[in-house]
Amino acid sequence: KAGVTQTPRYLIKTRGQQVTLSCSPISGHRSVSWYQQTPGQGLQFLFEYFSETQRNKGNFPGRFSGRQFSNSRSEMNVSTLELGDSALYLCASSFGQLQETQYFGPGTRLLVL
Amino acid sequence: SQQGEEDPQALSIQEGENATMNCSYKTSINNLQWYRQNSGRGLVHLILIRSNEREKHSGRLRVTLDTSKKSSSLLITASRAADTASYFCATADLSGGGADGLTFGKGTHLIIQP
Repeated sequence: KAGVTQTPRYLIKTRGQQVTLSCSPISGHRSVSWYQQTPGQGLQFLFEYFSETQRNKGNFPGRFSGRQFSNSRSEMNVSTLELGDSALYLCASSFGQLQETQYFGPGTRLLVL
Repeated sequence: SQQGEEDPQALSIQEGENATMNCSYKTSINNLQWYRQNSGRGLVHLILIRSNEREKHSGRLRVTLDTSKKSSSLLITASRAADTASYFCATADLSGGGADGLTFGKGTHLIIQP
């Protein structure tokens, strides 16, 4: 089976812009979660989607949003980018539960200038 | 969110030696997982130990779990240069109903000296 894929791998944006990141889960996985990783805060949970519905949401401002399509592919969007949004954004998929083994993609590295 | 804490933050050992890293957490858990991350890349799942298990092995990895102390340890035996990476423990807070997702510690950065 192909692993989790994320596009793009690298992205440079300027403050105030918006960005959309994409994640394709492992075939058959219905749960997709997103995490932000920074040197200062470490890995932080953004949200989880299951069967096109947001099932869980972390403590991030409303500028961070996401969605999931019927084929389980997911996108996350960050609007009005801030310098502090520079991070590695990781997507993970699993069959169903957050407590299960998560399979991570390679990440999208976002730099906000 | 409540985060686990790995200890030590960094560890440097010679190839062939054993590496031990510890994780403490704060909440009731269903299971505890260990992940590895090579420099700036995605996380790779290593092992999952359930709350009713005390020890689990996978190849050169040995994980223990002490739910009374809310702690876990990961032992890597006969280390290799390829084991150089950051290692994270992760838990899901049962009481939170998954609202925090998987909660990761800050990680232990392991360096294997050739």
